[in-house]
Amino acid sequence: DAGITQSPRYKITETGRQVTLMCHQTWSHSYMFWYRQDLGHGLRLIYYSAAADITDKGEVPDGYVVSRSKTENFPLTLESATRSQTSVYFCASREGAGELFFGEGSRLTVL
Amino acid sequence: GESVGLHLPTLSVQEGDNSIINCAYSNSASDYFIWYKQESGKGPQFIIDIRSNMDKRQGQRVTVLLNKTVKHLSLQIAATQPGDSAVYFCAENGGTGKLIFGQGTTLQVKP
Repeated sequence: DAGITQSPRYKITETGRQVTLMCHQTWSHSYMFWYRQDLGHGLRLIYYSAAADITDKGEVPDGYVVSRSKTENFPLTLESATRSQTSVYFCASREGAGELFFGEGSRLTVL
Repeated sequence: GESVGLHLPTLSVQEGDNSIINCAYSNSASDYFIWYKQESGKGPQFIIDIRSNMDKRQGQRVTVLLNKTVKHLSLQIAATQPGDSAVYFCAENGGTGKLIFGQGTTLQVKP
């Protein structure tokens, strides 16, 4: 089906482990984004990408790594997960200045 | 730095009444604003947008007002329905394709 999909939808991990959240979009949108959503903070931008092989930091990039080898994929990696990274993560995409489309979210718990 | 904020964390209205959700922004150079609706367990969904060369824009049962003088944005929902219960976010264009989101206002519709 066309759209933007995230996986896994739910993940429990332990402190210090590496975790990768996947994001895939079928529209060939240029821009892709990763946000985290926490109570009291709304949606905060972690990283974004304007095109394949181009990535840039958002508001809260520390502890995260991204890559964009293909236009349709934008994985987010926590190299050594910490409890403060327990959150709901949303991937989004848009074409130019158009509407921003969000995935359904990935709920990550770090024990 | 940039900040986008909603005035009230929770708004409670009676079914059938009109709802007004407010948002203040700090970047006077922002030229594009969007309202998103987020239902429980889902990703944010686009409601309506407005560019800085407009003061008002209407959609189906929703109206967005922009006051650039005081850097204020509002979302008006006419004849509020139970299905309108959600968290509402305003967002502004943060440049280079990224959006900066406010913290969100929870709209509760009483039957």
